[in-house]
Amino acid sequence: GNSVTQMEGPVTLSEEAFLTINCTYTATGYPSLFWYVQYPGEGLQLLLKATKADDKGSNKGFEATYRKETTSFHLEKGSVQVSDSAVYFCALRHTNTGNQFYFGTGTSLTVIP
Amino acid sequence: EAQVTQNPRYLITVTGKKLTVTCSQNMNHEYMSWYRQDPGLGLRQIYYSMNVEVTDKGDVPEGYKVSRKEKRNFPLILESPSPNQTSLYFCASSSSGLYNEQFFGPGTRLTVL
Repeated sequence: GNSVTQMEGPVTLSEEAFLTINCTYTATGYPSLFWYVQYPGEGLQLLLKATKADDKGSNKGFEATYRKETTSFHLEKGSVQVSDSAVYFCALRHTNTGNQFYFGTGTSLTVIP
Repeated sequence: EAQVTQNPRYLITVTGKKLTVTCSQNMNHEYMSWYRQDPGLGLRQIYYSMNVEVTDKGDVPEGYKVSRKEKRNFPLILESPSPNQTSLYFCASSSSGLYNEQFFGPGTRLTVL
């Protein structure tokens, strides 16, 4: 079946550090891949997405590349800010289950000044 | 403004007292879903609906009911709440295509005493 595995947190970084949050998926074919962000006290909101292999999604300085060969969609940012402190969720959507969504367990990021 | 709304945002209740959490979206989305979020467990899907009058169980449906009589509304019903249903609940909606992301509501924090 379809599933998403992301690195466990929590992750604590200093401001301006480089961020990588690993995400790998299990699915046949070509799902769509998403990163969502949840700021404290809020709902989830889409951060970026990629819908086909080798696509790069980007937003607010974050990037992730859809790697079919490694079934990965790692989230990166070159220089994090305190305001990036949040929980990040990797997700996929696939036609083989009626376009259902599958979420990872989330990775909590804290950025300290 | 395109949005998913949930009510109430906060609710404290007692064991066994039936309650309904409402969810409404104004984007004409076919797909709607309910999740619960618990520390260390990430997002878990309770029920989802592919369209009006079409609903199906997610990963943790026990103790919950849903209905989808209109496209815009997808209420979550707890007929006899128990303390293990204390959680943060999110409603989400999406167009049905593979490439479309989900939009999340702001969440409902439920405490069952």
